[in-house]
Amino acid sequence: GAVVSQHPSWVICKSGTSVKIECRSLDFQATTMFWYRQFPKQSLMLMATSNEGSKATYEQGVEKDKFLINHASLTLSTLTVTSAHPEDSSFYICSASRPGQNQPQHFGDGTRLSIL
Amino acid sequence: QKEVEQDPGPLSVPEGAIVSLNCTYSNSAFQYFMWYRQYSRKGPELLMYTYSSGNKEDGRFTAQVDKSSKYISLFIRDSQPSDSATYLCAMRPEYNFNKFYFGSGTKLNVKP
Repeated sequence: GAVVSQHPSWVICKSGTSVKIECRSLDFQATTMFWYRQFPKQSLMLMATSNEGSKATYEQGVEKDKFLINHASLTLSTLTVTSAHPEDSSFYICSASRPGQNQPQHFGDGTRLSIL
Repeated sequence: QKEVEQDPGPLSVPEGAIVSLNCTYSNSAFQYFMWYRQYSRKGPELLMYTYSSGNKEDGRFTAQVDKSSKYISLFIRDSQPSDSATYLCAMRPEYNFNKFYFGSGTKLNVKP
């Protein structure tokens, strides 16, 4: 069964609004979670690494003020797209690894974000 | 040059065929190798996870790693229409638990 839950699966909103996406690890505590963006027919693009209790580490070119990440607990990380614009429309996916050094990433089911 | 190269396809095969999906990579430090299956508008689902060289089998799936050639493969036996999806390879080095490198994905279509 799923080990990472992501919500909502699809959201449509008006330009200028902020949208929050939640990512939960279901049966383990995740000190680190990852946020990806995926464009149609393209691979995953890592946006940031979310660390519990500390600031996220953003990849080059990703605006920190635009994509706010909060990892307030060991099972929940949130991504807030602030003042969203049509160019922010995309498929956002989170992932987490079980504790331990040699663990793969498990992905959520993604959030399709459409900004009108 | 990308760290991980993967043919985007599409790869179209008849039902029941053996499918071979492949990735090449350039970083000899990669030690952990993964294959994910991604259906349209869904997140990637972990299929296989292997360490270093060798083979691993799970049902109809076999993952193969050849570190000397920097080449990994995923074989699907008795392919089914439900196997139609995009397959992503991923890998990471021994020394960095949080740094994963993904292929661009191969789209597979299994025809009934």
